[in-house]
Amino acid sequence: DQQVKQNSPSLSVQEGRISILNCDYTNSMFDYFLWYKKYPAEGPTFLISISSIKDKNEDGRFTVFLNKSAKHLSLHIVPSQPGDSAVYFCAASAGSGNTGKLIFGQGTTLQVKP
Amino acid sequence: DAMVIQNPRYQVTQFGKPVTLSCSQTLNHNVMYWYQQKSSQAPKLLFHYYDKDFNNEADTPDNFQSRRPNTSFCFLDIRSPGLGDAAMYLCATTEGRGNQPQHFGDGTRLSIL
Repeated sequence: DQQVKQNSPSLSVQEGRISILNCDYTNSMFDYFLWYKKYPAEGPTFLISISSIKDKNEDGRFTVFLNKSAKHLSLHIVPSQPGDSAVYFCAASAGSGNTGKLIFGQGTTLQVKP
Repeated sequence: DAMVIQNPRYQVTQFGKPVTLSCSQTLNHNVMYWYQQKSSQAPKLLFHYYDKDFNNEADTPDNFQSRRPNTSFCFLDIRSPGLGDAAMYLCATTEGRGNQPQHFGDGTRLSIL
């Protein structure tokens, strides 16, 4: 039973355009959500997070939106740059007392074309 | 300035031959995690330590063990690796207080001959 799903294995966008990566979850106990970026041969790097008490968090070109009623979150990258080409994982956690155990999605490979 | 360091980056072992993967951290974080990631799949948590307290995931095979001799180091021991254990193994750390992101190492790619 996959609690966090990224249904699009890959996404291709033109440089300068918006990239939208989507993630769905099933566990209503999740209260903290994160996006990680991973380049080949490197570990995942933390990008941005959002608590369930918010519906939007912005950091530079990256914005994460959370729709709790739909159990859906998305990552917007504007404008997209070739260096953003990587695998993006969404992850979720249930309760800070759970020592931050993360459940990951399968990842979406983003390709930004010059 | 790597803060979570995994050694080796690539490990080849023989079927059934015990292998140990290493993780060290300079962040002084309380919690250390081991994940297994197979190709095109989500990273899957195997177990974690909160300080010296070991927390195993229910579906982690008995073949996988871990040791944390001190705050900085954590080891993953695979007692009798099978072909299905070939994967990327990721170590991560977090302070363990409240909602905070985990910091990952670059992983060890394990191959089984």
